[in-house]
Amino acid sequence: EIVLTQSPGTLSMSPGERATLSCRASQSVRNNYLAWYQQKPGQGPRLLIYGASSRATGIPERFSGSGSGTDFTLTISRLGPEDAAVYYCQQYRSLPRTFGQGTKVEI
Amino acid sequence: EVHLVESGGGLVQPGGSLRLSCAASGFTFRNYWVTWVRQAPGKGLEWVANINQYESEIYYLDSVKGRFTLFRDNAKNSLYLQMNSLRAEDTAVYYCARDTFGFFDSWGQGTLVTVSS
Repeated sequence: EIVLTQSPGTLSMSPGERATLSCRASQSVRNNYLAWYQQKPGQGPRLLIYGASSRATGIPERFSGSGSGTDFTLTISRLGPEDAAVYYCQQYRSLPRTFGQGTKVEI
Repeated sequence: EVHLVESGGGLVQPGGSLRLSCAASGFTFRNYWVTWVRQAPGKGLEWVANINQYESEIYYLDSVKGRFTLFRDNAKNSLYLQMNSLRAEDTAVYYCARDTFGFFDSWGQGTLVTVSS
């Protein structure tokens, strides 16, 4: 099983700042089969990024993903109040599919 | 627009059973894998099971194998999760999601399952 570790646990930011979220895998996520999701309270998650760096349909350009192997990053430039949420990474290189424990972004 | 609506959650005693349903619309359901993901209160996301278009490939989280059964009815655009021998640790919001090559591009709002005496 691939274990994903996200850091930091909580990120306290100001509007307009850039947020950098990290996701580290216990073994290589080949083919960059890594996705990122946003979840707001009381809602189901929303897909932001797949393939480590491809934005999902309708996702603003200020969300970007990068990385390969075992280290991946989600960057949110120009934070707005609507970006307050918990962000999860997920690998789909192997079964079971696994998620990181989440990073909470506070604005 | 893709729409997924879960139902069937509720309060059940340990050892009891529950069947969750997921109604899909806005896309050709029979062409996609579908997945269940759960989230315990205040916790993160946990993949539970997934199923391919033809029910020929079904995979489960180890902790639910032998207790949960996943199946679908493509004629009704519906997905089902039969949960037996429920435990307190199965308490969670259960989400169904459209599974596209292993990532989940559309999610429902979830249905809450509470296992308690």
